[in-house]
This record gives sequence, structure tokens and C-alpha cells, in this order.
Amino acid sequence: GAGVSQSPSNKVTEKGKDVELRCDPISGHTALYWYRQSLGQGLEFLIYFQGNSAPDKSGLPSDRFSAERTGGSVSTLTIQRTQQEDSAVYLCASSVIGVSGNTIYFGEGSWLTVV
Amino acid sequence: GQQLNQSPQSMFIQEGEDVSMNCTSSSIFNTWLWYKQDPGEGPVLLIALYKAGELTSNGRLTAQFGITRKDSFLNISASIPSDVGIYFCAGQKGVTSGSRLTFGEGTQLTVNP
Repeated sequence: GAGVSQSPSNKVTEKGKDVELRCDPISGHTALYWYRQSLGQGLEFLIYFQGNSAPDKSGLPSDRFSAERTGGSVSTLTIQRTQQEDSAVYLCASSVIGVSGNTIYFGEGSWLTVV
Repeated sequence: GQQLNQSPQSMFIQEGEDVSMNCTSSSIFNTWLWYKQDPGEGPVLLIALYKAGELTSNGRLTAQFGITRKDSFLNISASIPSDVGIYFCAGQKGVTSGSRLTFGEGTQLTVNP
């Protein structure tokens, strides 16, 4: 498809297990973002990748969270030893610098429930 | 982290009415974006603003980038039931290099037929 693709769309996991969430950005987009949205809340920044530059990891809430972006395209967000407070929608977005500026497009999210 | 102040938090209106919501910040942003989020979906970009003072329309939607670069508003004219959802403003400091979006807390819009 033409949009940002995320998988899985839904994930239920047991407390203490590790999970991996995948993001396929829009082709040609050099920037990739991960955000988290808890139920009824706004969007919380997690991490940002731009080309080959070192990622901005300043939003990651703990060292249980990590993300990689391979080949400048697909990204994986990993949550180790999941806790119930990790339950949220994890949103990926991508962007490219255009003539007018930098416009960011979101995927539909991965809904994570930790039981 | 830094937040944008978005208001109102919620609105209940009748179909056909106009709607206005706004975001303010204590710091300058170089890009303002407005998103709509439906239940179970990711945010969908409505309007992007790149220049101070810019006024941009997208159908029944109109948004403006404040002169001070510290605020933006979104207007929806002649609301319809499918306008229901959560509207988020977002500001971005970087332009040429890109940077993270800072989001407002959202405006929940309910439209009564």
C-alpha cells in the first residue's frame, strides 16, 4: 500500500514477555517516528530516526524499550519484559522533506495489551 | 515533556454549526499540523502549515499559522456527523532537518444530527 504499514495490528501478551512491533514507512520517506498513545490520552513521543543520523531516543520511557531501523526503511520497536502500563497504541509515522516542509503521516497503530 | 495547550478539550455541537479550536505554546514552532483521529485508527493529517500567518483551507476546514509562531487554530464550517472524532494539533520546530512532533492533548468533537 501507499501508506505507513504497521504490524501486528493487535497484540495481547503476558506480563514479562517481550514483544516486537514492526513499521514499514512510506517508500522514500527518510524520517521515521514512534509514538505511544494510552487510552484517551494524547500522543507521547518515543523515538525518531532521520536517515543515517543517530536516532533521537529521548522519549523512550525505560531501558526496556528499544528500536532499530534497518537499511533506512523498516523499523522494529521492541519492548522487553512487558508491564501492564505498557498497554497502549503504538503509532509509527514517516515523513520526507518536501518543497513546502516536513509533513508526517501516521500508520494505523499496533494495539498492545499486556495481561 | 513540552506540551501544546489545546482547547477546548471537548465540544458538543449541532449538525450545521461551525467549530473552532486552537492551540497555543510558550515556544515557537516552524510547522503546525492538524490531525483527526477516529476510534481505532491512527491520526490522519488534515492540514499542514509552514509559514507564519499562513491561512490554508481543505474543504470545510480552515487553519491558520499564528503570526507569533506560537499558536494555530482550526475551523470547521457547517459540521456534519462524520466530523466526529478527536482533533490534535501538532507543532514541529525543525523544517529542513525534520524533528519530532509535539502534540496537543486533543479536542473531542461530538456532532448531534
